[in-house]
Amino acid sequence: SQQGEEDPQALSIQEGENATMNCSYKTSINNLQWYRQNSGRGLVHLILIRSNEREKHSGRLRVTLDTSKKSSSLLITASRAADTASYFCAFNFGNEKLTFGTGTRLTIIP
Amino acid sequence: ETGVTQTPRHLVMGMTNKKSLKCEQHLGHNAMYWYKQSAKKPLELMFVYSLEERVENNSVPSRFSPECPNSSHLFLHLHTLQPEDSALYLCASSHHHREGQEKLFFGSGTQLSVL
Repeated sequence: SQQGEEDPQALSIQEGENATMNCSYKTSINNLQWYRQNSGRGLVHLILIRSNEREKHSGRLRVTLDTSKKSSSLLITASRAADTASYFCAFNFGNEKLTFGTGTRLTIIP
Repeated sequence: ETGVTQTPRHLVMGMTNKKSLKCEQHLGHNAMYWYKQSAKKPLELMFVYSLEERVENNSVPSRFSPECPNSSHLFLHLHTLQPEDSALYLCASSHHHREGQEKLFFGSGTQLSVL
């Protein structure tokens, strides 16, 4: 299976702390993306990092990509209650469609 | 607002019913997708219409039938569903080119319950 694996499956932290989620995959990829999903809603694209990039920032989000380890991490700094959601990594390889990871359920405790 | 609109938001149907899910995108994208999201499972790609081609996941049962009359509209026709088909059905669109797929824009989904 080319499915991505994310860990942890669930994460609870205090508001203001940083949250880190990890994603691993099995093949060479074109790009890796992170999405957020609030309960029962559609996914929202957060950030895309290409295979030739190592780090990318967007506001309080920082994404790293290590192609030698076939892994990526998403860091949310200074977390807020509104960050409570599920976070998914997704990647594609060759001309294939995006494959999604299993997701991390993040809960921010006020 | 992502520019992708799905209707209805919620749907309850019996196993003998026929219903359709509708998706519309106003982003000028050339690819549209149906995904199924079940509890504790990864998103499952069901169908893709991309660059005027239709790509299917061969594991999707024939009781799900997609229709894409133009690049802005996508339907998923449902008939004789089973209770295990209850899930959140998500439509998405993107700009697709030969080098691969860029980011997806999702609708809010249709929460389907099959009784």
